[in-house]
Amino acid sequence: KAGVTQTPRYLIKTRGQQVTLSCSPISGHRSVSWYQQTPGQGLQFLFEYFSETQRNKGNFPGRFSGRQFSNSRSEMNVSTLELGDSALYLCASSWLGTSGEGEQYFGPGTRLTVT
Amino acid sequence: GENVEQHPSTLSVQEGDSAVIKCTYSDSASNYFPWYKQELGKRPQLIIDIRSNVGEKKDQRIAVTLNKTAKHFSLHITETQPEDSAVYFCAAKVGGGSYIPTFGRGTSLIVHP
Repeated sequence: KAGVTQTPRYLIKTRGQQVTLSCSPISGHRSVSWYQQTPGQGLQFLFEYFSETQRNKGNFPGRFSGRQFSNSRSEMNVSTLELGDSALYLCASSWLGTSGEGEQYFGPGTRLTVT
Repeated sequence: GENVEQHPSTLSVQEGDSAVIKCTYSDSASNYFPWYKQELGKRPQLIIDIRSNVGEKKDQRIAVTLNKTAKHFSLHITETQPEDSAVYFCAAKVGGGSYIPTFGRGTSLIVHP
């Protein structure tokens, strides 16, 4: 089974620009979550999508948004980039049983640098 | 919401020693506690997990213990090896219909040969 893939792997943007990151989950996984990882803050939860619906949202400004398509692929968008948005953005997919259990599998991440 | 504290932030040991990383959580409704290992430049990977109906779980040199009363859980690595060097993250998940764990800030484990 192919793992979680993310594109692009590296990205350099300028302040004020916007960016779109893509995540393809493991086949059969319906839940996709996004995290921001920075050296000082660890893994911060952005949002989770399940069956094309945003089901949970972390404490990030509205500049961060996302969506999920019918094939479970997900995109996240960051508008009006700030220097502080420089981070590794990880997505993780999981299969959800009726009990809500399911291991999360992480993608390799997209390293975003804002200059 | 859930809050997870992880200690220490850095742990340095000699090869062959044991390493212990501790986490505390705030929400008594949390029922699933995974541990992830992230090697430099790589993605986090699940190494062991424990559910609230179990007090201890072992997998070769790795073990996790859970104390629900005190709301803390720990990762134990015995006979450490240089390849154990990585950042380890604990997490806690509240029961329910979605899989959103709250992560600790990570522990950088350094195993000296």
